[in-house]
Amino acid sequence: QKEVEQDPGPLSVPEGAIVSLNCTYSNSAFQYFMWYRQYSRKGPELLMYTYSSGNKEDGRFTAQVDKSSKYISLFIRDSQPSDSATYLCASGGSQGNLIFGKGTKLSVKP
Amino acid sequence: GAGVSQSPSNKVTEKGKDVELRCDPISGHTALYWYRQSLGQGLEFLIYFQGNSAPDKSGLPSDRFSAERTGGSVSTLTIQRTQQEDSAVYLCASSYAGGTKRLYGYTFGSGTRLTVV
Repeated sequence: QKEVEQDPGPLSVPEGAIVSLNCTYSNSAFQYFMWYRQYSRKGPELLMYTYSSGNKEDGRFTAQVDKSSKYISLFIRDSQPSDSATYLCASGGSQGNLIFGKGTKLSVKP
Repeated sequence: GAGVSQSPSNKVTEKGKDVELRCDPISGHTALYWYRQSLGQGLEFLIYFQGNSAPDKSGLPSDRFSAERTGGSVSTLTIQRTQQEDSAVYLCASSYAGGTKRLYGYTFGSGTRLTVV
């Protein structure tokens, strides 16, 4: 079992829809949870950063972490065509590097 | 610089040749990471430098891969005797004080797209 699992999709939604992206992780020592967005032929960019459990909201984006079930979610409200990208979840502990999921490719149709 | 700079952006090389990929991190970022991204495989960790500590080389796939970081800044990833399976996008990232008391978010470069023919 990989340490971070993510459904690669692809996921296609109409403009204005609520998007739910999910990951699971296996290492109980992970305390840091991040979401990155990657446009085609670009490097990933940090979208959301969460420490431990709970919710974090930034504009149309909400990140949720449930450490009891080792479940990470990203919600996008009122999705826009410009949100079309690959979304990568990542987790790690205070020592070492981030472990990334494979990424979910999202397409928002106008 | 304002961001993480990687060069070259594209590299085509013949099988068996050596290649060097360069990464210039954000000034002040003490941690530097190399990842490899292949189609359908996600980001694969290769190596991690933190300050003056010995690098974590646990992700390097074979002894053909090596990396160094000079003066705590610029890093070079070297692949010797390249093989077709080395074709991928090689991404470099840097962060502030990674691997100490806290894990900070990474800033990635745009990557080097390596094609071995």
